Amino acid sequence: GAVVSQHPSWVICKSGTSVKIECRSLDFQATTMFWYRQFPKQSLMLMATSNEGSKATYEQGVEKDKFLINHASLTLSTLTVTSAHPEDSSFYICSARDNPYNEQFFGPGTRLTVL
Amino acid sequence: AQRVTQPEKLLSVFKGAPVELKCNYSYSGSPELFWYVQYSRQRLQLLLRHISRESIKGFTADLNKGETSFHLKKPFAQEEDSAMYYCALRGNTPLVFGKGTRLSVIA
Repeated sequence: GAVVSQHPSWVICKSGTSVKIECRSLDFQATTMFWYRQFPKQSLMLMATSNEGSKATYEQGVEKDKFLINHASLTLSTLTVTSAHPEDSSFYICSARDNPYNEQFFGPGTRLTVL
Repeated sequence: AQRVTQPEKLLSVFKGAPVELKCNYSYSGSPELFWYVQYSRQRLQLLLRHISRESIKGFTADLNKGETSFHLKKPFAQEEDSAMYYCALRGNTPLVFGKGTRLSVIA
């Protein structure tokens, strides 16, 4: 299957700083990328959907100004957590697909810890 | 609204016993249903999708529109089946996941 990578795999930052997480599709063109958040022992909650070259569509309750998503190319999307706070600590997972009828492939996730 | 319900957080079975992981959904249109699996320290991966009607690793799932269910079944559980299983639905929006069921197969 296709491969989606994320970088970094884990990050620890101080409260008030910003953190950028990268998501790359390694062997296919990701027309659409998705960002999910997963709290311990809970399900994946969709945060936003981004189509290459367009603004991301955020789910209800997700702050656009706090979670900045950029999908500037067909192989790269970034999620920037701005002014991070301890409650933003979570596991962030990206997913990508090349067209609406195909499988979504998932990245390994990034664990963010905000001190 | 789309919703996926997995009523069991944890399911423990003995090796060789049958397994059934329950999934019910709510969607007004014709959904596409999936089962994803996450083994320990690994990424989420697709196990099967209802339109494929195939058996993967001995698992099968049949979409029952009357009962709005998509239960995952395997006749004989193996230790390597121990993992987190998520049922997911795709309607007119991106994938929506259930809360997941942790399957523990006891030797």
